[in-house]
Amino acid sequence: DAMVIQNPRYQVTQFGKPVTLSCSQTLNHNVMYWYQQKSSQAPKLLFHYYDKDFNNEADTPDNFQSRRPNTSFCFLDIRSPGLGDAAMYLCATSGTANTEAFFGQGTRLTVV
Amino acid sequence: GENVEQHPSTLSVQEGDSAVIKCTYSDSASNYFPWYKQELGKRPQLIIDIRSNVGEKKDQRIAVTLNKTAKHFSLHITETQPEDSAVYFCAALRGSNYKLTFGKGTLLTVNP
Repeated sequence: DAMVIQNPRYQVTQFGKPVTLSCSQTLNHNVMYWYQQKSSQAPKLLFHYYDKDFNNEADTPDNFQSRRPNTSFCFLDIRSPGLGDAAMYLCATSGTANTEAFFGQGTRLTVV
Repeated sequence: GENVEQHPSTLSVQEGDSAVIKCTYSDSASNYFPWYKQELGKRPQLIIDIRSNVGEKKDQRIAVTLNKTAKHFSLHITETQPEDSAVYFCAALRGSNYKLTFGKGTLLTVNP
């Protein structure tokens, strides 16, 4: 059974048109992460939460925002997608420090 | 912030040989070190992890060693098989803020 679910799996958006990616989890984990992964590269951390405590990476563009309305859901908003934002976006969760992070299947974003 | 260096970026071995991937980290507050395997088009999946109070951990053909003093940790795969071919990522977690940082990855190819 899927434990970290990302929707949609594939998203095509127009240049400059806002887009929202979603992530839900059935694990009741406190920590949620958003990563951006471009082809043949490592996952790059954009944001993470411990409960509602939000941590924004210093080099995450202002174009990217995140919301976590409750434990189960987390959203990634891209306000004005550019061609360089095309990537796989991965959501992950973990229960506490020093435990496994579980990844969703990712959303592949294409910007046209 | 944390910086995780991973070497080599590519590794090609013959089936049955051993493979070793090495990582170093910069943040002495990091205390959890997972290794992920990512097959093409799929999500990263945990294969083994080690906590900072342990020097070595083994799970069948896979082992990880950690040298806290030198801030490096290594993945060892013995008796490699073609299905071990994938990209492997090391990561380091700072327990105080749950920040999980990835290395750049190693593309492992096991030739039959």
